[in-house]
Amino acid sequence: SYELTQPPSVSVSPGQTARITCSGDALPKKYAYWYQQKSGQAPVLVIYEDSKRPSGIPERFSGSSSGTMATLTISGAQVEDEADYYCYSTDSSGNHRRVFGGGTKLTVL
Amino acid sequence: EVQLLESGGGLVQPGGSLRLSCAASGFTFSNYAMSWVRQAPGKGLEWVSTISASGGSTYYADSVKGRFTISRDNSKNTLFLHMNSLRAEDTALYSCASLQLPYYCRGDSCYPFPWGQGTLVTVSS
Repeated sequence: SYELTQPPSVSVSPGQTARITCSGDALPKKYAYWYQQKSGQAPVLVIYEDSKRPSGIPERFSGSSSGTMATLTISGAQVEDEADYYCYSTDSSGNHRRVFGGGTKLTVL
Repeated sequence: EVQLLESGGGLVQPGGSLRLSCAASGFTFSNYAMSWVRQAPGKGLEWVSTISASGGSTYYADSVKGRFTISRDNSKNTLFLHMNSLRAEDTALYSCASLQLPYYCRGDSCYPFPWGQGTLVTVSS
């Protein structure tokens, strides 16, 4: 079955740049999406279609994708960005399966 | 305001059944494919199932195929998940979401499509 692989945790100091990666064989053909989930809250979309940022999401959030890896970058991470981040995409084999990465816990301290 | 509101969760014995509902408002429900996503306590997000906008196509994760059925009533703006043969490992918070089009646009701006708060399913004897 198709999988998206993320690092379990990333830690940065406030003001530093945090990068969270997501690896998947279908990413050259399929978009990556990124969700932020703060403790006890529903997930919120922060990046869609690899690199687009929805309105209301701070400009410090950006996304990119190259080959089999998508990357979420938080430039100048803030304490309020501490959360779990999940990448999401679809399988390219034609079975219409959707998949989330295992999630990355971002710690900002 | 775009909203999704799940209901129908509860405590059920292994082997039992449950039907979840998701009431949608604030957008043209019949234009959107919809999905169910679950999150076991302390675990990550897991895609469960997706149904096309018309309801004519459905897709399932291997872990629920043959036991769960997704459906929708576009006249009532409601999404359903019928769950049979429930197992302890199905215990999770179940949320409905628009994953295929996870944003909506108003004028020149596009916003995150909100998720509901979810409904908790506990499978235990």
